[in-house]
Amino acid sequence: KQEVTQIPAALSVPEGENLVLNCSFTDSAIYNLQWFRQDPGKGLTSLLLIQSSQREQTSGRLNASLDKSSGRSTLYIAASQPGDSATYLCAVRGDSGGYQKVTFGIGTKLQVIP
Amino acid sequence: GAVVSQHPSWVICKSGTSVKIECRSLDFQATTMFWYRQFPKQSLMLMATSNEGSKATYEQGVEKDKFLINHASLTLSTLTVTSAHPEDSSFYICSAGGGTYNEKLFFGSGTQLSVL
Repeated sequence: KQEVTQIPAALSVPEGENLVLNCSFTDSAIYNLQWFRQDPGKGLTSLLLIQSSQREQTSGRLNASLDKSSGRSTLYIAASQPGDSATYLCAVRGDSGGYQKVTFGIGTKLQVIP
Repeated sequence: GAVVSQHPSWVICKSGTSVKIECRSLDFQATTMFWYRQFPKQSLMLMATSNEGSKATYEQGVEKDKFLINHASLTLSTLTVTSAHPEDSSFYICSAGGGTYNEKLFFGSGTQLSVL
């Protein structure tokens, strides 16, 4: 059974700081890994999707890396802004055939202080 | 990106009533839709997977007679919480995939259910 862990559970940083969120997973047989953002009481917004054959993906100030063999992914946020405050979720899609199941981490709650 | 519309955004109901939540893919055909539940300070937990035109596959521990899922078309799936009780109060969210977007999952905005 796939387990996804996110560290830290919560993070508070001053505006402008660069930061790294961590995600680890127990089963390296994955199809892809996706980072999401969730605002309070709302749905999920997809940030970055990394296929199992890729090492990293970038979008604007965001960079996500994937080391499948060690079961780790990081989300790097450059020059953080108060609008980045949200919960960031890591989701791993299994590679067990059929329509692969997605397992979520519990998330990292980020607060960027102006 | 693709748009998944979920309705309603929030609902308050009395214990014993049934509540229906709709999930629509607006600009693509979703051959598969997923329903998740999220309790406060916990991760999203998959409840069931539904494929268009067939019965849903429920995760272990999820009562299929209580959480009725219908995926009658390629753009609509519904989750009905039957005879809701306070312990069913949670955040429910759907996601859809398939067609040209068969690698990335897109999520609805979620439904906050409060059962009194």
